Amino acid sequence: GAGVSQSPSNKVTEKGKDVELRCDPISGHTALYWYRQSLGQGLEFLIYFQGNSAPDKSGLPSDRFSAERTGGSVSTLTIQRTQQEDSAVYLCASSLGSGQNNYEQYFGPGTRLTVT
Amino acid sequence: AQSVTQLGSHVSVSEGALVLLRCNYSSSVPPYLFWYVQYPNQGLQLLLKYTSAATLVKGINGFEAEFKKSETSFHLTKPSAHMSDAAEYFCAVSSNTGKLIFGQGTTLQVKP
Repeated sequence: GAGVSQSPSNKVTEKGKDVELRCDPISGHTALYWYRQSLGQGLEFLIYFQGNSAPDKSGLPSDRFSAERTGGSVSTLTIQRTQQEDSAVYLCASSLGSGQNNYEQYFGPGTRLTVT
Repeated sequence: AQSVTQLGSHVSVSEGALVLLRCNYSSSVPPYLFWYVQYPNQGLQLLLKYTSAATLVKGINGFEAEFKKSETSFHLTKPSAHMSDAAEYFCAVSSNTGKLIFGQGTTLQVKP
């Protein structure tokens, strides 16, 4: 079946511009997670959705970052006024449920963001 | 707070040799632990997970890991390395919301 998909796969943007990154989770998965992978910081959690609500936004690095999820499915991560330090690979994952349990998270291929 | 430490950012082994990737965790509650693999320009793939059912966990591609509470460790092993095992490996612990807290990763190089 279809896995988690993300678009675009690569995005190059100028400093100061806004970008939107999209994640399509596996159908039926209620939980959706965004992570960021960068050379200096490794893999970091950004935000987590259960359905359309985001109980944990603790990883968002600044108020320039926001995310939403509609219809319990597609999620969009928006970065406003991009800075060079935002350059990273943004990974999305989905799972059947959430909570500290053994629900496996399935990862998408990521969006590589480069801010010039 | 939960955390994971992977000892060794780079590990190099010869093809056919034992693979040992080290992971130590810190958790105030019984942890759920995971090992993920990432091949170049790809997302993360789950290798195996520990959920308290058994301390020795077998995963895909011949990998296994042993949970040792006394040592707070969850090291990943494979008896015989293949060239195709070359990748980056991440150990992670799951928080109470299910979010994963990752170690810094270990790059495995397999030499012919």
